[in-house]
Amino acid sequence: DAGVIQSPRHEVTEMGQEVTLRCKPISGHDYLFWYRQTMMRGLELLIYFNNNVPIDDSGMPEDRFSAKMPNASFSTLKIQPSEPRDSAVYFCASSLDRGETQYFGPGTRLLVL
Amino acid sequence: RKEVEQDPGPFNVPEGATVAFNCTYSNSASQSFFWYRQDCRKEPKLLMSVYSSGNEDGRFTAQLNRASQYISLLIRDSKLSDSATYLCVVIINTGGFKTIFGAGTRLFVKA
Repeated sequence: DAGVIQSPRHEVTEMGQEVTLRCKPISGHDYLFWYRQTMMRGLELLIYFNNNVPIDDSGMPEDRFSAKMPNASFSTLKIQPSEPRDSAVYFCASSLDRGETQYFGPGTRLLVL
Repeated sequence: RKEVEQDPGPFNVPEGATVAFNCTYSNSASQSFFWYRQDCRKEPKLLMSVYSSGNEDGRFTAQLNRASQYISLLIRDSKLSDSATYLCVVIINTGGFKTIFGAGTRLFVKA
């Protein structure tokens, strides 16, 4: 099994640019999670999906952030426009069920200049 | 008060030592508990789930105390490869589910 796949692994962009992060969950997993990790705030849940439907987006910091899951094997997290304070590692994770083990992707390291 | 709190450490211990981490949670609706391990510049990975009766996996023992609302992780006979950050994870069921990660406890095992 390939595990959770994320792309790109690294992204450097300038303030104001649009950033799109991509995730392919483990096949058969019904839940997909997007997290953000920074030194200051630790690991924060941004949003999660169940069967492609967003369930809780209360962690999304503001309207500049949006996430979609058009099908069971693909999700995107978009930041438009990006700001330097968005610099962080963004992880995608998936699980079979809500209370089950979450398997994380390798993360996308985002730097907004 | 944070919903999940951990001692950030770092814990510096020699090889072979026994080390224990605690994690407290504030929401009584907390339902599931886990310990994850995160190596430097890597993703978090499940170390072990935490069951009400306590559970052991080799050198690792996890315990849950619902009355006092804390979970613990005990590592015996520490190895250099145990050096990592250990994250406490709590899933809260309040109608909807919410996953909360602790800030992590850093462990350094020295030769």
